[in-house]
Formats: sequence, structure tokens, C-alpha cells
Amino acid sequence: EAQVTQNPRYLITVTGKKLTVTCSQNMNHEYMSWYRQDPGLGLRQIYYSMNVEVTDKGDVPEGYKVSRKEKRNFPLILESPSPNQTSLYFCASSLFQGAASRGTEAFFGQGTRLTVV
Amino acid sequence: AQKITQTQPGMFVQEKEAVTLDCTYDTSDPSYGLFWYKQPSSGEMIFLIYQGSYDQQNATEGRYSLNFQKARKSANLVISASQLGDSAMYFCAMREGNQAGTALIFGKGTTLSVSS
Repeated sequence: EAQVTQNPRYLITVTGKKLTVTCSQNMNHEYMSWYRQDPGLGLRQIYYSMNVEVTDKGDVPEGYKVSRKEKRNFPLILESPSPNQTSLYFCASSLFQGAASRGTEAFFGQGTRLTVV
Repeated sequence: AQKITQTQPGMFVQEKEAVTLDCTYDTSDPSYGLFWYKQPSSGEMIFLIYQGSYDQQNATEGRYSLNFQKARKSANLVISASQLGDSAMYFCAMREGNQAGTALIFGKGTTLSVSS
């Protein structure tokens, strides 16, 4: 079954304690990205990757790091979490094609609800 | 300026009725793709329907159709014969450009409530 798997689903942590949210996809997609969802703001892109070892900042990258050492995995790292990073996080993957091409929809993980206290 | 605008924070509809969720977009690129996603209360994001900027016909997927009016830059989602399970948040999104790997830009969403 084609899927994007995120872990953990729920996480409560304290300010400053480093954490990693894992993301793995089994569709051989080149393009992977992380989003955060906050009430009234929709989903905003944090970081994205167009292939192994190729990553770049999205709209809200401050306080986050990513790596893409393997095609299937794209972990999100919070080196020193702060309360303003409390949010619902999604990992997504898609084919690497032009925007007007059919089949470029993003497949999303189940989401990770992070609370930083 | 916002790239994707969803002006309806909440919509209410009776079971079996049709409902239209509005979405307008802003781009100067002739190549783009428009998407609708559903987010039920359980939180996952479910892809519903896609419309490419060069597609001549409106997209349809089962009870979902996309009313694509290119000149008006609108891409409204029409759900026919609403069901209780359609109650969810709905997001309109867009990718721009002919180059691969452009970001998916989301609107702020519309909450749909279906009552019996």
C-alpha cells in the first residue's frame, strides 16, 4: 500500500529538548516536504527536498532542520524546541514533475501533534 | 497577496444537498495545478481532486467536481449529495510553474458541517 509514515503521532516535550520527527515514504517519490498547520493559517511549508542531499527552505524554516540521506526518509529535527513550535506537522511526498502535470498531488503522512511546554 | 483565498470559514448543508466551496487563486504563471484536500476530525489529509491549468474540461471524481473558471481564477469544489461523512475541513491548494518541485500552497480552509 502506498503510504507516508510519520512518527510519533503525538509528542509532548519541554522547551530546549532536541527532538526528531521521522517520515518515510514507499512510493519512490523524489519530492518530499514538511508542513505545519496552525488554526486560521492553513498549512505552511517548512522545508522541502527535491532528491537525496538536496534540501531547501520553505516559508517558515526558522527553528527547524532536515536531512535527506536516503530517498525514502526525510526527518524533521527541532534542535531546541520552543512553545511557538507547538503545532500539527505533516510530511508529504509527491512526484517530481511540472505543476500542470496530472499526478503531482501530494501524499500526506498521518500528522504529528507536537506540544512544547 | 494571498495566492489561495478561501472566503468561507464555515459552511452548513443538509444531507443529500449539494454544496459549493469557494476558492480563488492568484498566479501569473500559465502552468499550474489546483488541488482540493479533505481533513476530517481525525486529522489526516486526503486528496480529493486535481485540475491542471491546461485542462479543457472540469475535473470530476465521483461526487466531487471542480468548477474551474480560468478567467475568474476560481476553482470551486462542488460536492453533490452531501453525506454526514463529508463533515470536515477542506483545503484548496495550488502548485505553480513548469519546473518540477514547486511548493504546494494552501488556502486557510473551509469547515463543512453536514446535518441530517
